[in-house]
Amino acid sequence: DGGITQSPKYLFRKEGQNVTLSCEQNLNHDAMYWYRQDPGQGLRLIYYSQIVNDFQKGDIAEGYSVSREKKESFPLTVTSAQKNPTAFYLCASSIIGNYGYTFGSGTRLTVV
Amino acid sequence: QQQVKQSPQSLIVQKGGIPIINCAYENTAFDYFPWYQQFPGKGPALLIAIRPDVSEKKEGRFTISFNKSAKQFSLHIMDSQPGDSATYFCAASANNDMRFGAGTRLTVKP
Repeated sequence: DGGITQSPKYLFRKEGQNVTLSCEQNLNHDAMYWYRQDPGQGLRLIYYSQIVNDFQKGDIAEGYSVSREKKESFPLTVTSAQKNPTAFYLCASSIIGNYGYTFGSGTRLTVV
Repeated sequence: QQQVKQSPQSLIVQKGGIPIINCAYENTAFDYFPWYQQFPGKGPALLIAIRPDVSEKKEGRFTISFNKSAKQFSLHIMDSQPGDSATYFCAASANNDMRFGAGTRLTVKP
């Protein structure tokens, strides 16, 4: 079955550490996205990529970094510069154009 | 700034009722309007979507009504069931840039 796999499901980070969230898709989608979800604020775009080796900042990119070395993979690194990283992180993919997104099951990151 | 405004924030209905969730937008370049359903701890799933050349779309118990002149669209859930209890997000997209509403938490009481 095609889909998006995010791992891990839960992640705990100490302050000052970088952590990397994994996102893999086998849908052959060109576009991939990272969103942050906080209660009452909907989905906010962190980064997106429409082609390998290219990506663009979204609305809240500060403190995050990404890479797109393969079409199937779009990992997100939450750096120590992100001041309030505790949140639910969602990865999505789509074909290029105005079509629906397929989301992964999310990673819940908690800073301890 | 929120480009898609969604209301209400939460909604409680009895089983069999018809919850209605509303969204409004300003950017007339938006040309794809999906709705997503999200259960706790899961990612959103595409429920139904409409393009501005039609005013209504039905899929099972879910209906989108679209008013292009008013720049508003809404989701109606017919014969709602407790299993429909979830958070619903509207969205609007232009040039592969999708903007989401803040979400509506729906509770359907048995």
